[in-house]
Parts: sequence; C-alpha cells; structure tokens
Amino acid sequence: QKEVEQNSGPLSVPEGAIASLNCTYSDRVSQSFFWYRQYSGKSPELIMSIYSNGDKEDGRFTAQLNKASQYVSLLIRDSQPSDSATYLCAVKVGTGNQFYFGTGTSLTVIP
Amino acid sequence: EAGVAQSPRYKIIEKRQSVAFWCNPISGHATLYWYQQILGQGPKLLIQFQNNGVVDDSQLPKDRFSAERLKGVDSTLKIQPAKLEDSAVYLCASSSSGRLYEQYFGPGTRLTVT
Repeated sequence: QKEVEQNSGPLSVPEGAIASLNCTYSDRVSQSFFWYRQYSGKSPELIMSIYSNGDKEDGRFTAQLNKASQYVSLLIRDSQPSDSATYLCAVKVGTGNQFYFGTGTSLTVIP
Repeated sequence: EAGVAQSPRYKIIEKRQSVAFWCNPISGHATLYWYQQILGQGPKLLIQFQNNGVVDDSQLPKDRFSAERLKGVDSTLKIQPAKLEDSAVYLCASSSSGRLYEQYFGPGTRLTVT
C-alpha cells in the first residue's frame, strides 16, 4: 500500500462549479498535510497546509482533514480555467522526517 | 524575495556519464530538499538537509547518487554513473525552520539519459 493515494483522474468540472479532490494516507501518526498545484511543465506550488482536524479556508480553497478516517481533501469553489492543473497531496508521515507526495489528480476546468 | 534557484534547467547525457545539479535556496531557509519526479508521478524525496547536516536520505540510491550542502546554503546533487531510469525532473525545495515542510520549489532540472 502506498503511503499517500490519490485518484489520478482526470477530473473535469465546468467553470464556476466546485472541484473536490481527495487523498488518503496510510500512517495514522501523520501530523502534517499539504496540497500543491503543479501546472504542466512547471514545479509544484504550495496552496494549503493543514495540521488539525476540520476545515481550513483560504480564498476559494478549503482543505478538510479527518485524521480518524485518514483522509484529506481540497475543495476549489468557483472553479476557473486557470485552476486546470495537477493537484498533489503531500504528507509528513509518522514522527520522523519521511515525507511523501501522492501521484496527483489532474483537474480540467471547462469554460 | 528571490525564489529557489536551480541550474542547469536542462541536461542531456549518455548512460554511464556523470552529471551534477546545483540549487540555491531562498535566503534564510535552513531546510533544503532534493526530489526526483518521473513523468506522471509525484515527487519522490531523495534527501533532506537541515543547515549542512543530512536529516533524511533513506530514499537516495547511494551507490550512484550523492549530495552535499557545504556551508549550509547552496547544494549539489550528483549522479555517477547515470542510468536510463534516472531520466526525470530533479526538483530542489527549501523551507524555513518555523514552517517545516511548507516547501517552495525551484524550477527544476530536466535530465534526459540516452
């Protein structure tokens, strides 16, 4: 089982809709969770970090963490064509320094 | 504030040759990471430095890969000898001590091994 798993997609949503991206992780001790956006041919860009159960909002982005279910998600409200990218979930695993990225979910926002 | 700098941006070498990549992190960032990203996959952490000490290198193929961060600032990642499967983008990232793992990435070096 991989440390971090994401649905590779592709996920397509119409402009203005809510895009929902999901991520599960295997290590119950994990404490730190991150979402990165990666445009084709570019390097990852940090969007959100979340450390506590519940929701964290930043503009059109909301990260949701449920440690009991080992699940973290990213909601993008009012999706725009410029949001079309691959979204990477990343987790600091356990109490050491192991850090893993998922394989990413490809999102396409259709105008 | 200047971002993470990497060079070269592209490199093409033949298998069994050696190659080196350079990274300069964001000023003041004590933690530096090297990742390998193969097409269609997420980045894989190769090595993490805190200042000039290695924090984690458990996924670094030490028979052919080496990295150093002298003086706790810039860093070099070397591959010797290269294999075809080393073709990937090599990403460098840095983070500040207070916000570990909130990483800022450089533009990457695209390596092609023929």
